[in-house]
Amino acid sequence: RKEVEQDPGPFNVPEGATVAFNCTYSNSASQSFFWYRQDCRKEPKLLMSVYSSGNEDGRFTAQLNRASQYISLLIRDSKLSDSATYLCVVNSGNQAGTALIFGKGTTLSVSS
Amino acid sequence: DTGVSQNPRHKITKRGQNVTFRCDPISEHNRLYWYRQTLGQGPEFLTYFQNEAQLEKSRLLSDRFSAERPKGSFSTLEIQRTEQGDSAMYLCASSIGTGGNEQFFGPGTRLTVL
Repeated sequence: RKEVEQDPGPFNVPEGATVAFNCTYSNSASQSFFWYRQDCRKEPKLLMSVYSSGNEDGRFTAQLNRASQYISLLIRDSKLSDSATYLCVVNSGNQAGTALIFGKGTTLSVSS
Repeated sequence: DTGVSQNPRHKITKRGQNVTFRCDPISEHNRLYWYRQTLGQGPEFLTYFQNEAQLEKSRLLSDRFSAERPKGSFSTLEIQRTEQGDSAMYLCASSIGTGGNEQFFGPGTRLTVL
């Protein structure tokens, strides 16, 4: 089983749509959870950290279910500029706990 | 620009040559990480420094790879006797070392081994 699994997509949605991405992780010792965004041939950029209580940042809402080892990202009112690859990320859960484990990413394409 | 910087941005080399990449982290960050990303994959962890100490290395980091951070500021990643399979984007990230370990990435060095 891969450490972080995501549906690669692509998700093709019109502007204004709501889209949800899901992710599962295998290491129950992981303590930190993130969503990163990556544009084509660019570096990953931190979109948001994910907390057990759930958190929202504008049009973006992230949820974490530790019992199911499941992370989600909801994007409301999609914009053309949201087109990118969204990477689900957890920390390694080892003693140092510092390495980040990335999923392969989910590709989103928002069209007008 | 106070973000993570990496040099060079692109490197083309012939198989068997040695290459060295440099990363300058965000100035107040004491943790520095190297990752490798190939097409269609997420970044894969290579190694991690806290200040000048290399505290963690991935099994991906073969003996042809070496990383240093001599003064706890910038870091270098050297690949000796490059192979075509080393072609990838090499990403550096830094974090402040407290809190949730949010890591901030540099633009990467794209290596092509011919």
